[in-house]
Amino acid sequence: AQKVTQAQTEISVVEKEDVTLDCVYETRDTTYYLFWYKQPPSGELVFLIRRNSFDEQNEISGRYSWNFQKSTSSFNFTITASQVVDSAVYFCALRGRGSTLGRLYFGRGTQLTVWP
Amino acid sequence: DTGVSQDPRHKITKRGQNVTFRCDPISEHNRLYWYRQTLGQGPEFLTYFQNEAQLEKSRLLSDRFSAERPKGSFSTLEIQRTEQGDSAMYLCASSLGWTEETQYFGPGTRLLVL
Repeated sequence: AQKVTQAQTEISVVEKEDVTLDCVYETRDTTYYLFWYKQPPSGELVFLIRRNSFDEQNEISGRYSWNFQKSTSSFNFTITASQVVDSAVYFCALRGRGSTLGRLYFGRGTQLTVWP
Repeated sequence: DTGVSQDPRHKITKRGQNVTFRCDPISEHNRLYWYRQTLGQGPEFLTYFQNEAQLEKSRLLSDRFSAERPKGSFSTLEIQRTEQGDSAMYLCASSLGWTEETQYFGPGTRLLVL
């Protein structure tokens, strides 16, 4: 079974604070892919990053960074120096290589609000 | 570079009516996916196509739901005899396939069943 848990339902921060969004996943597949998407109020899911299970290197892209740890089945997302435009719902998702080819399994999302 | 497009963006219908949504994937993407998202939840998989073949369907896709991708390009999702529980955002995504696993999403169709 594939499962993604985002325990933080809502997070509020003040602009310029750093914030980390947690993601814990479950899968029996040895090869899998992890994703983060951003959903602003307009509703469209915007792709942020994909990580393959065999690549545990952390990644940084501007103010965004991702920490992938297979030992704890976590794929956390940190925004440094948050901005009001970062306010959105963020989803972590998992795609396995087993029988459920193709489908993404999403967490319930974390609503991030950045106050000016 | 045109992204995934969906039409209509919003649909209000009365219970019992049929509705049809359209999705146009990114050009040359051979995989197309449909998801449903209800308030406060993450998207849930409904079905997906590789070219014109429907390869997987979720248990969520009841007999009232049907999806097609007749020429391997655009896709339609039809809901017959709509129920209030069908009210949700219907999201479409596309990907290149095995060589590129990332799914790119359209803006969604928000359905309200009265």
